[in-house]
Amino acid sequence: QSVLTQPPSASGTPGQRVTISCSGSSSNIGTNTVNWYQQLPGTAPKLLFYSNNQRPSGVPDRFSGSKSGTSASLAISGLQSEDEADYYCAAWDDSLNGYVFGTGTKVTVL
Amino acid sequence: EVQLLESGGGLVQPGGSLRLSCAASGFTFSSYAMSWVRQAPGKGLEWVSAISGSGGSTYYADSVKGRFTISRDNSKNTLYLQMNSLRAEDTAVYYCAKDNPPTSLFYSGSYPGDYWGQGTLVTVSS
Repeated sequence: QSVLTQPPSASGTPGQRVTISCSGSSSNIGTNTVNWYQQLPGTAPKLLFYSNNQRPSGVPDRFSGSKSGTSASLAISGLQSEDEADYYCAAWDDSLNGYVFGTGTKVTVL
Repeated sequence: EVQLLESGGGLVQPGGSLRLSCAASGFTFSSYAMSWVRQAPGKGLEWVSAISGSGGSTYYADSVKGRFTISRDNSKNTLYLQMNSLRAEDTAVYYCAKDNPPTSLFYSGSYPGDYWGQGTLVTVSS
């Protein structure tokens, strides 16, 4: 049972904007930076954002990340079919002294 | 080109042991912390363990503490995960990952970064 909570699903039509929330607490998101991962079906996770809103090279700029207080969010603008995947937030948790992933959100492109 | 190749997965009975390996190439292995992350069938990601570049510092999720041991052989560019007292709930695909940022230390700012292996399946069942 993860300490970072995400909605189980999100969806949109091509071109729409989709936002995924990640709710944590003072021991994780409130104190440490948030990272986001994308996992396409049947593949290993891929780093999508680090340090809240830093995009690794190769990640399209229609993806954006933000953090406020004990929550974070990932936004996908101009949704494309290839964005259909599972998305996970993650952060270090000072209380658990470990790295924790969110519960994951499945994005469906309608 | 950075490559991470896991091996050692398979079917094991409850209470049994298994050792996973992750062969790394394409980067200076000893300069990076490394992590193991697992994913149970149809479930989300779970961080399992991490180790500093020197191997001197190790970290574990509470769910595996006391049963799993992470280690590395920098002369062989290989990461290991020794798994003992295996339980059905340990059934998962196990991924190794190269940690960021580029430091041999592992600390609260470390995280599984932009290179992951393809995963190896561990099934614990009688």
